[in-house]
Amino acid sequence: ETGVTQSPTHLIKTRGQQVTLRCSSQSGHNTVSWYQQALGQGPQFIFQYYREEENGRGNFPPRFSGLQFPNYSSELNVNALELDDSALYLCASSDIGNEQFFGPGTRLTVL
Amino acid sequence: GENVEQHPSTLSVQEGDSAVIKCTYSDSASNYFPWYKQELGKGPQLIIDIRSNVGEKKDQRIAVTLNKTAKHFSLHITETQPEDSAVYFCAGANSGGYQKVTFGIGTKLQVIP
Repeated sequence: ETGVTQSPTHLIKTRGQQVTLRCSSQSGHNTVSWYQQALGQGPQFIFQYYREEENGRGNFPPRFSGLQFPNYSSELNVNALELDDSALYLCASSDIGNEQFFGPGTRLTVL
Repeated sequence: GENVEQHPSTLSVQEGDSAVIKCTYSDSASNYFPWYKQELGKGPQLIIDIRSNVGEKKDQRIAVTLNKTAKHFSLHITETQPEDSAVYFCAGANSGGYQKVTFGIGTKLQVIP
């Protein structure tokens, strides 16, 4: 088990709504990355935060945004939810440049 | 950007046999290749990784090989056990700058007792 925790475990939203997912990084880690994992697929990189700054972004629209706090925990915000946003959202913490440790994920369902 | 291809998508082996999963990558700048195991309802768990300055790495029943020239890397699991049943992902990353990890599509491994 890693020390990475995510909340909530499951979430159901409707199209057009907004959602905030939370992640607490493992002790000693200063970097958090967020991934979207659709059913039957590998995780897709959304973005990474290092010391409270966005440090890289994948091919996701601006309605996916994030924050990292001074204690290195992080939030993922998604606005104007679409049906295709239904997925498992994973966060991973690391010491910059080193291996990433994943949390259990948040299962988001958009109806 | 990086593209990681993985095969097979499903693999069934008898308990005690070996399992091999193969991946290719496209970006010659990638220098870090982790392998993850994902069990139902859990996040991916790092099981082994290899960096581009090494050709092979072994950890008990698990080994990974890397051919930089061909841009191939493989996971080998020997003496498979039922608890090895899971989805396995290969991935590639460039550890310079920010570490964007690009995953393969996954291999569902079933070990038949």
